[in-house]
Amino acid sequence: AQSVTQLGSHVSVSEGALVLLRCNYSSSVPPYLFWYVQYPNQGLQLLLKYTSAATLVKGINGFEAEFKKSETSFHLTKPSAHMSDAAEYFCAVSDNTNAGKSTFGDGTTLTVKP
Amino acid sequence: KAGVTQTPRYLIKTRGQQVTLSCSPISGHRSVSWYQQTPGQGLQFLFEYFSETQRNKGNFPGRFSGRQFSNSRSEMNVSTLELGDSALYLCASSLGAQELYGYTFGSGTRLTVV
Repeated sequence: AQSVTQLGSHVSVSEGALVLLRCNYSSSVPPYLFWYVQYPNQGLQLLLKYTSAATLVKGINGFEAEFKKSETSFHLTKPSAHMSDAAEYFCAVSDNTNAGKSTFGDGTTLTVKP
Repeated sequence: KAGVTQTPRYLIKTRGQQVTLSCSPISGHRSVSWYQQTPGQGLQFLFEYFSETQRNKGNFPGRFSGRQFSNSRSEMNVSTLELGDSALYLCASSLGAQELYGYTFGSGTRLTVV
């Protein structure tokens, strides 16, 4: 069974500050991990993915995440927040035993203050 | 290229009615997954289709069904609607194994049951 825990349902940062959104996963088989972003009244957009290659993954819009097996974590970071980063972010886990399915965390709403 | 298209965007139905939602994946994507998104339960996996075959199914009652056509377009149907079925229904397509590629999501169909 797989599960994802996103620590902090709401995170607030100032524009230009570091963004850190936390994700811990549980998986009985090697995981594939994803971060998605959702803007109001829209679907989810893939930010980045970890598929067992490099542990530091770079995505779109300046985001990156590091896979740490020992900590079962896949935290999302961005060095400098922009107002346009305000959205809801979802961490997700998949594996190759569950066709077409990802298990999503509950989401973290990021607020960026001017 | 065109993204994932879901129709309709908004729908209001009465309890007891049935509803059909449509999803056109990105051209060339053969895997289509459906999710239900609610504030209380988050993103819940409904089912996944690949080449017209349902390969995986989530823990939803039999009132929820789907199908996929030879052109990869997919529909989901909910019969005997209940108030609790009010949600955003998201369709996502993938080029191949979604654990490797991730999903491209549509904007969703917001279903309100009154």
